[in-house]
Amino acid sequence: AQSVTQLGSHVSVSEGALVLLRCNYSSSVPPYLFWYVQYPNQGLQLLLKYTSAATLVKGINGFEAEFKKSETSFHLTKPSAHMSDAAEYFCAVSGGTGFQKLVFGTGTRLLVSP
Amino acid sequence: GAVVSQHPSWVICKSGTSVKIECRSLDFQATTMFWYRQFPKQSLMLMATSNEGSKATYEQGVEKDKFLINHASLTLSTLTVTSAHPEDSSFYICSTEGPNTEAFFGQGTRLTVV
Repeated sequence: AQSVTQLGSHVSVSEGALVLLRCNYSSSVPPYLFWYVQYPNQGLQLLLKYTSAATLVKGINGFEAEFKKSETSFHLTKPSAHMSDAAEYFCAVSGGTGFQKLVFGTGTRLLVSP
Repeated sequence: GAVVSQHPSWVICKSGTSVKIECRSLDFQATTMFWYRQFPKQSLMLMATSNEGSKATYEQGVEKDKFLINHASLTLSTLTVTSAHPEDSSFYICSTEGPNTEAFFGQGTRLTVV
């Protein structure tokens, strides 16, 4: 079975500051890990994914995440926040070879202030 | 890239009526469609998995007679909320696996039952 824990339901940063959104996972099999972004009343957009290749994964919009097996973590970072980054971010895990039956974390709302 | 079109994007219905939500894969065949539900300020929870030409598989606690899923073709899956009640008000999202094992989500449907 898989599970995801996202620490912090809300994260506030200033524009230009570092963004760090935390995600820890639990999986009985080698996991596939994902970060999604959701804007209000919209579906989910994939930011990046880890599929057992490089542990440092680069995604869209300047985001990246590092898979750390020893810490069972997959934290999302961005060096400099932009106002347009304000949204809800979800970490997700799936077991097996794909993303079937994604298990999502509870989400973290990123607030960016000028 | 592959696109999943979900319709309608929002719907308001009276208590006791039924509402149908459609998800179409526009340029690829979707043999499997996942249906998620998202309550306000909460994460996405998998409701059921539909497979083209066979019965859907429902997650524990999801009433299959209330949430009817039909996946009659490789490009269309539908979710019908029958005899809707206010507690069914939620954000419903479909997803499927596109080419290259990417996950694609529909735009979501916000259902409000009054």
